[in-house]
Amino acid sequence: GAVVSQHPSWVICKSGTSVKIECRSLDFQATTMFWYRQFPKQSLMLMATSNEGSKATYEQGVEKDKFLINHASLTLSTLTVTSAHPEDSSFYICSLVARSSYNEQFFGPGTRLTVL
Amino acid sequence: DAKTTQPNSMESNEEEPVHLPCNHSTISGTDYIHWYRQLPSQGPEYVIHGLTSNVNNRMASLAIAEDRKSSTLILHRATLRDAAVYYCILSAYSGGGADGLTFGKGTHLIIQP
Repeated sequence: GAVVSQHPSWVICKSGTSVKIECRSLDFQATTMFWYRQFPKQSLMLMATSNEGSKATYEQGVEKDKFLINHASLTLSTLTVTSAHPEDSSFYICSLVARSSYNEQFFGPGTRLTVL
Repeated sequence: DAKTTQPNSMESNEEEPVHLPCNHSTISGTDYIHWYRQLPSQGPEYVIHGLTSNVNNRMASLAIAEDRKSSTLILHRATLRDAAVYYCILSAYSGGGADGLTFGKGTHLIIQP
């Protein structure tokens, strides 16, 4: 399967600051990447779909101006949490889809964000 | 995506087979059945997927009921490293397009040594 990396693996920031999370495909090109978040003891929730070269599409209830997504290349997507607040503390996970008909997704290891 | 129902938790002994059930009575003809698992503090990991026929790979087997309204993920010989939350997810085939996955609560598999 595909190898997906995320950076940083964890980050602690002060309330009001912005945090950028990178998601990289290490061994093949991904035209579509997804961003999920997971609160403690809950399941993953899809936040947005990131398409290379076009604007991301966001799920209902996810603020596009707060969670900025940039899919600059076929191997890199970034999620920026702007003006982070404690309620944004979560586990953020990206995934990418291989050129396959079956929608198998390969997930990154996740980034733990803690906002103080 | 159509909804799936899984038991909240299951327990098994190490080196024994594990059968994880999933009900998906509202599955449509184009829905693939996917299984992912998530180890603690990690991103989910793809396990297996199928459409109608049973499937085998190096990680597991997937048994799909004839009416496709249920399926079972089979771990043939569980190890402690298989302790994880297992998610059964339906994902429609859209002719090459990709859709985000809808995760339910999954089954928390506990392996006893």
